[in-house]
Amino acid sequence: KAGVTQTPRYLIKTRGQQVTLSCSPISGHRSVSWYQQTPGQGLQFLFEYFSETQRNKGNFPGRFSGRQFSNSRSEMNVSTLELGDSALYLCASSLEGQNTGELFFGEGSRLTVL
Amino acid sequence: KQEVTQIPAALSVPEGENLVLNCSFTDSAIYNLQWFRQDPGKGLTSLLLIQSSQREQTSGRLNASLDKSSGRSTLYIAASQPGDSATYLCAVRPVPEGGSRLTFGEGTQLTVNP
Repeated sequence: KAGVTQTPRYLIKTRGQQVTLSCSPISGHRSVSWYQQTPGQGLQFLFEYFSETQRNKGNFPGRFSGRQFSNSRSEMNVSTLELGDSALYLCASSLEGQNTGELFFGEGSRLTVL
Repeated sequence: KQEVTQIPAALSVPEGENLVLNCSFTDSAIYNLQWFRQDPGKGLTSLLLIQSSQREQTSGRLNASLDKSSGRSTLYIAASQPGDSATYLCAVRPVPEGGSRLTFGEGTQLTVNP
């Protein structure tokens, strides 16, 4: 059974550009959530999507957005990149409706903003 | 607002030692608590998940306990090995209405010396 797949794994952008990251959840999982990990702030919640609807949103500026498609795949977009957006972006999926609520994470997309 | 604290921030032990990692949280209204392992530059690997109604979970050499009333969890690693070297993170999930938004601790960086 394939795990959570994130693409691209690494990317380098310059300030002012925009970036789109992709996440394919475990087959059958309908919830996808995104986290940002930086050395200074640790792991912070960005947003969660369930059945193509944003169910939760963290405290990030509007430059950070996301969406989920009918096949549960999700994308997140960051516009007008800033140096502080350099981070490891992690995607997690879970099989909602079951009682465990366990989250499974992908390997992440490492974004470097120059 | 939920806050999660992990102590110690770093730990170095000789191979073969048994060790305990600590996690505390401020709001006891949790759905579950999950322990993860993260290797440098990698994503998160789920180790153990404890439901709010459970007291402990075991997997191989790992045992996690949960005392929801006191807001504490411990991860016990028996007979540590160099391959256990990694950062260990605990995360709490709020009651189901909160979706799959996890609040993470800062992690404990474990080094097991041969």
